[in-house]
Amino acid sequence: GAGVSQSPRYKVAKRGQDVALRCDPISGHVSLFWYQQALGQGPEFLTYFQNEAQLDKSGLPSDRFFAERPEGSVSTLKIQRTQQEDSAVYLCASSLQGAIGNTIYFGEGSWLTVV
Amino acid sequence: GESVGLHLPTLSVQEGDNSIINCAYSNSASDYFIWYKQESGKGPQFIIDIRSNMDKRQGQRVTVLLNKTVKHLSLQIAATQPGDSAVYFCAEKGAMDMRFGAGTRLTVKP
Repeated sequence: GAGVSQSPRYKVAKRGQDVALRCDPISGHVSLFWYQQALGQGPEFLTYFQNEAQLDKSGLPSDRFFAERPEGSVSTLKIQRTQQEDSAVYLCASSLQGAIGNTIYFGEGSWLTVV
Repeated sequence: GESVGLHLPTLSVQEGDNSIINCAYSNSASDYFIWYKQESGKGPQFIIDIRSNMDKRQGQRVTVLLNKTVKHLSLQIAATQPGDSAVYFCAEKGAMDMRFGAGTRLTVKP
């Protein structure tokens, strides 16, 4: 597709349930980012991939959060044993390279509500 | 720690007026900054960027100014239109990640 595609767009999970959020970056984009955005806040960095390598996962809030990009294209963000504080929009972004000057494009986000 | 922040959380302007949205950053080593626009229910949309070796960059109806001395960034929107109503974020690009401020909500009054 022409842009970054995320699915599902909306997810309601019961507390304790595991969820998986998918990101299809723009074709050919090497760099992929995941962000968490709480209501009324700016996006908070979670993790960064360059191809299949996860180079930075310093923003993952707990060991319940796990991200992968096994073939260097599609990425999945998995949240285990979801908690109410995990309710947020999860944004995926991609760029040609991680280097400065390459525009980073965002998807529309996956809206997660934990009840 | 290092942070990117905004001076004002909300800004209301009259249609046709110019808008100025400000941003302060604290990491003096940062050398790339980006402005994003986020409409309700959508992901952030790239507006304009600037590298630290520049102090001004212009796009279509938008201008970004960078003052490295005081670590300040601003976004100017000329002839603001109703479609400009959104939350605007400045972001600071590091070697790997990109950090956002909390955002300024711009409301354009007809």
